[in-house]
Amino acid sequence: EDKVVQSPLSLVVHEGDTVTLNCSYEVTNFRSLLWYKQEKKAPTFLFMLTSSGIEKKSGRLSSILDKKELSSILNITATQTGDSAIYLCAVDGGGTQGGSEKLVFGKGTKLTVNP
Amino acid sequence: EAGVAQSPRYKIIEKRQSVAFWCNPISGHATLYWYQQILGQGPKLLIQFQNNGVVDDSQLPKDRFSAERLKGVDSTLKIQPAKLEDSAVYLCASSLLTGKEETQYFGPGTRLLVL
Repeated sequence: EDKVVQSPLSLVVHEGDTVTLNCSYEVTNFRSLLWYKQEKKAPTFLFMLTSSGIEKKSGRLSSILDKKELSSILNITATQTGDSAIYLCAVDGGGTQGGSEKLVFGKGTKLTVNP
Repeated sequence: EAGVAQSPRYKIIEKRQSVAFWCNPISGHATLYWYQQILGQGPKLLIQFQNNGVVDDSQLPKDRFSAERLKGVDSTLKIQPAKLEDSAVYLCASSLLTGKEETQYFGPGTRLLVL
């Protein structure tokens, strides 16, 4: 059974700190790894990492995929209170039909950034 | 572009009652997903449709849960009868079938409380 484990489950930092969130996975047919940010409602997409795109960056957020170690990290530099959210990692093991996705999510890391 | 719409946003019922949730995906998205997110957990896939056909319902508790997408557009998820452990947020997501980035867009979710 495909599995995604995130750590830590909870993290409290001060504004300006840099944080690293971890995600490890076991999946039979890896296609991609995705990071989502979830505030009070729906998860919003951050990054997709694949074998051909193992490093992504957007502003203060960056992510790296280590296919050898079956893991990924999400870095946030110069954190702000608006970064407070649950960060979800998901792995796409491929659906049974065509190119459809099948995502397995981790439990998430709850990040709290205090002023 | 309008996002994924879900209703109702909140629902409180007693155990053994029935409940139905509705989802309208982004226009043109062939694939529709229903997820269950229990507090403190990541979303768990319940069922995946491609157009009006079921692609994956392996994690749907079929003795009490059912879902349909009759015309290949909007979808309903029903629970009958509900149990206390069904209390969760039910997320609907949709995607194109291309596999490119930002493939799954999530709706705001329906928060269900079973008393």
